[in-house]
Amino acid sequence: RKEVEQDPGPFNVPEGATVAFNCTYSNSASQSFFWYRQDCRKEPKLLMSVYSSGNEDGRFTAQLNRASQYISLLIRDSKLSDSATYLCVVTSGNTPLVFGKGTRLSVIA
Amino acid sequence: EAGVAQSPRYKIIEKRQSVAFWCNPISGHATLYWYQQILGQGPKLLIQFQNNGVVDDSQLPKDRFSAERLKGVDSTLKIQPAKLEDSAVYLCASSFSRSGNTIYFGEGSWLTVV
Repeated sequence: RKEVEQDPGPFNVPEGATVAFNCTYSNSASQSFFWYRQDCRKEPKLLMSVYSSGNEDGRFTAQLNRASQYISLLIRDSKLSDSATYLCVVTSGNTPLVFGKGTRLSVIA
Repeated sequence: EAGVAQSPRYKIIEKRQSVAFWCNPISGHATLYWYQQILGQGPKLLIQFQNNGVVDDSQLPKDRFSAERLKGVDSTLKIQPAKLEDSAVYLCASSFSRSGNTIYFGEGSWLTVV
């Protein structure tokens, strides 16, 4: 089983839709979790951290389920500008960040 | 604040040739990373430095890849000899410290081996 697994997509959704991605991780000792966004031919950039209590930032909500070892990202009221690849990232404290392969989202007008 | 600087942005070489990439991290960032991202995949860590010491190089193909950060600031990643499967984007990133901090990526160096 890979350390971090994501559905590669693509998820094609209309503007205004709500879309959710899940990411599973295999290391139960993982402590920190993040979602990064990567636009086509650009570098990854931090979208948001994922806390045990969940985290909301505008239209974006991230949640952690330690029992089932997955994190999720929910995007409400999708915009064309949300089209990108969303990378799930996991680390166990001082160990290096492990990236998933990413989930590709296309928001269509 | 200046971001992570990388050069060159693009490089095309023939297999068995050598190539070197340079990275200048964000000022004050002690931790520097080199990631390899093959098309359609997530970034894979090649090597992590803390100041001028290596923290993790377990996934660095040491028979052909080398990296250094001699003065704890700039870093160079070298590939010699290159193989076709080395075609990828080489992303340099930096963070203030090893744990719990956001890492910031440079724009990457795009390598094509023909």
